[in-house]
Amino acid sequence: AVQLVESGGGLVQPKESLKISCAASGFTFSNAAMYWVRQAPGKGLEWVARIRTKPNNYATYYADSVKGRFTISRDDSKSMVYLQMDNLKTEDTAMYYCTAAGGETPFDYWGQGVMVTVSS
Amino acid sequence: EIVLTQSPTTIAASPGEKVTITCRASSSVSYMYWYQQKPGASPKPWIYDTSKLASGVPNRFSGSGSGTSYSLTINTMETEDAATYYCQQWSSTPPTFGSGTKLEIK
Repeated sequence: AVQLVESGGGLVQPKESLKISCAASGFTFSNAAMYWVRQAPGKGLEWVARIRTKPNNYATYYADSVKGRFTISRDDSKSMVYLQMDNLKTEDTAMYYCTAAGGETPFDYWGQGVMVTVSS
Repeated sequence: EIVLTQSPTTIAASPGEKVTITCRASSSVSYMYWYQQKPGASPKPWIYDTSKLASGVPNRFSGSGSGTSYSLTINTMETEDAATYYCQQWSSTPPTFGSGTKLEIK
């Protein structure tokens, strides 16, 4: 079965940095584009970032709200995907989900999420 | 970016009742996706390619639409269907979600 397990969340102050991780299993990770989607408390879903596969040069894409501050990366040898978040703002407070496509919707598989709180 | 507007924001339905949730796009999209989320849980894929049910979704659910207007329908509401439903498009980057429709049991 597909599993996505996020880790690394926590409480940070504005302008600080945090790196969250996602461990994937149960599918051929190197063949899958990976995504981060976030959900602020009591709010809806927002796509954050995408990283494609090696044949696609690991191309990355970002929501305008995080462009220039967040960096998505992956390590195919470890089946891991990361989100480096710099210059965090209070509005980045959210549950961050690692997601992957599975042939039906763009976001077929979801992790349990990791909470990131940005507050002074 | 394409803005998706869902209506209603909240709806309460009795068991056995028919329920329809609408999603309107600010520009035409080719397909719509739907996700179900229950409190404290991650979203689940629910409908793909506008009208196809994701794995394990009961056939009392259906999806339809084209262009800028899409809908999710529950033929006969059941208590387990109480959740928040989100529509989502990726005909245009960035992918966007609707703001969600909270479906409650009356």
